[in-house]
Amino acid sequence: GAVVSQHPSWVICKSGTSVKIECRSLDFQATTMFWYRQFPKQSLMLMATSNEGSKATYEQGVEKDKFLINHASLTLSTLTVTSAHPEDSSFYICSASLRLTISYEQYFGPGTRLTVT
Amino acid sequence: AQTVTQSQPEMSVQEAETVTLSCTYDTSESDYYLFWYKQPPSRQMILVIRQEAYKQQNATENRFSVNFQKAAKSFSLKISDSQLGDAAMYFCAYLSGNQFYFGTGTSLTVIP
Repeated sequence: GAVVSQHPSWVICKSGTSVKIECRSLDFQATTMFWYRQFPKQSLMLMATSNEGSKATYEQGVEKDKFLINHASLTLSTLTVTSAHPEDSSFYICSASLRLTISYEQYFGPGTRLTVT
Repeated sequence: AQTVTQSQPEMSVQEAETVTLSCTYDTSESDYYLFWYKQPPSRQMILVIRQEAYKQQNATENRFSVNFQKAAKSFSLKISDSQLGDAAMYFCAYLSGNQFYFGTGTSLTVIP
């Protein structure tokens, strides 16, 4: 099956610094990649959708200057949390889309736990 | 707008028994996919089962089966012979085009 990796799996950073999270589709080319945020015991909240070579589309309420998304290739997307603050501490999950017949199935990465101190 | 509702925030089941998790959704589309995902404590999203809306036959994967009622916009998950490893958060999801919509999740506890 399609495999998506994320790196790092857990990162701790100091307030005011930036941190980059990588999402890779290992054995397929993803037409689209998605970034989600998940708070404890809550559902996944879509942050943005990115297509290779074009600007990401951000969901309402998500600051695009704070959460920078770069989709450099069909197998790699990165999320950079700029000037991180403790409230940015969360679990971030990426997924990559693989086209099926009439729709697109998403394959999820294992997630990245970000802790901002 | 598409919405997915899971009305049971928590459920519990005795080991080896059967449990059904509920999910309803709202859409005006005719072609779409429905999914159940499991999220164990590791937080890796694991696909449990998938249903294509154009298929009338309910999907089945080993101990997992769904009851898909398209007219009622209902998509419940039945877990038979529950095992301790089934304990997790379960998310119902609707997919149309390139957009996923997740329910709020049901936390399943399996009692030994």
